[in-house]
Amino acid sequence: DVKVTQSSRYLVKRTGEKVFLECVQDMDHENMFWYRQDPGLGLRLIYFSYDVKMKEKGDIPEGYSVSREKKERFSLILESASTNQTSMYLCASSAWATRTDTQYFGPGTRLTVL
Amino acid sequence: AQTVTQSQPEMSVQEAETVTLSCTYDTSESDYYLFWYKQPPSRQMILVIRQEAYKQQNATENRFSVNFQKAAKSFSLKISDSQLGDAAMYFCAYRSVPGAGSYQLTFGKGTKLSVIP
Repeated sequence: DVKVTQSSRYLVKRTGEKVFLECVQDMDHENMFWYRQDPGLGLRLIYFSYDVKMKEKGDIPEGYSVSREKKERFSLILESASTNQTSMYLCASSAWATRTDTQYFGPGTRLTVL
Repeated sequence: AQTVTQSQPEMSVQEAETVTLSCTYDTSESDYYLFWYKQPPSRQMILVIRQEAYKQQNATENRFSVNFQKAAKSFSLKISDSQLGDAAMYFCAYRSVPGAGSYQLTFGKGTKLSVIP
């Protein structure tokens, strides 16, 4: 079974702090994704990566950056956390885009910025 | 850009009954994938069912089936014999085919399904 893990289930940070959210997958997947989930808005893509050290902006990249130094690990960075970044963050991974690829999700990190 | 619309923010169903969740999408592409994902309360999001647009036959997975109407750009999910464990948030999602330059999923806003014992 594919396993996608996220470093924390719950996180509380203060405004202005630098925040790291980490995601690890164990299936040698090329693609990794960071989504933000808010009530009434569904999931919105922040960034994705299709290879080590490669990244592409999603729909809402402002205020975020990412790092992918190793294939299995994809980090989301909030350089200076703000209250409007309070949200649920979901990581996902998938194999190289074939006709049968599926995105597998981690359990999520609920981030609260005070 | 593609958009996905789920017009029912919340729905409820009696245990053992059948419920249909609606999803419409907008795209100019002729080939693509459609998905239904399930997110139980405080649990991981998992794939329920997938449909490839070039396939005319509707996908089925046990009690879950879809009604894919390509011309109408409609992709509804039918859950038969509903169980308490079906209570969850359900998301409809769209993805372009490989090579179309996008690996990302475009999600609807979700439908919260409650199952009444």
